[in-house]
Amino acid sequence: EVQLVESGGGLLQSGGSLRLSCAASGFSFSSYAMSWVRQAPGKGLEWVSAVSDSAGSIYYADSVKGRFTISRDNSRNTLYLQMSSLRAEDTAVYYCAKGGMVREGVRAPFDYWGQGTLVTVSS
Amino acid sequence: QSVLTQPPSVSAAPGQKVTISCSGSSSNIGNNYVSWYHQLPGTAPKLLMYEDNRRPSGIPDRFSASKCGTSATLGITGLQTGDEADYYCGTWDSSLSAWVFGGGTKLTVL
Repeated sequence: EVQLVESGGGLLQSGGSLRLSCAASGFSFSSYAMSWVRQAPGKGLEWVSAVSDSAGSIYYADSVKGRFTISRDNSRNTLYLQMSSLRAEDTAVYYCAKGGMVREGVRAPFDYWGQGTLVTVSS
Repeated sequence: QSVLTQPPSVSAAPGQKVTISCSGSSSNIGNNYVSWYHQLPGTAPKLLMYEDNRRPSGIPDRFSASKCGTSATLGITGLQTGDEADYYCGTWDSSLSAWVFGGGTKLTVL
């Protein structure tokens, strides 16, 4: 069974930094792209970033480019999101999701999601 | 303002059919596969449809999807109260080099 478990969320002040983690199990983590998607309170889904299976390709949403860094440790089956210069508008539940990059010629959808971790940035 | 446009809400009676539209452009829906997600209250999103019209295993055939040009549509037949959720369309935008989602549609089963 595929499981994605996020951790690292919390309450912090504007301008601060935080690192989110996503522990994956139930599939060959090193063979799949992974992504972060966030959802502000009462709002819709917003894609944040994606990393390929080997971390050779990385994409970011314009809203986080230069402030967030996605990475992965395939030996630990773990995905990370380092967030810095946080703003109030970064307040959201952050979901880790499997997929998001091209695999076998097709851009893979987000086929599994974690339960999310809440990040609250106070101004 | 979302790149993909969905109606904010739709409603129908139990047992009836409903459709949810998702409108985009040539840089996203027009040239990339569309996927659909549903999110039950208080839970994480779940993949409902992918590659425009394919169902993951475990998704009943009451759910269907189609695409024509720069618009996509999700259909649900035999509505059940358990279908009440937020539904999102999503796809890659080749111009933005980013995934984009619709603003979400809240389905109410009256």
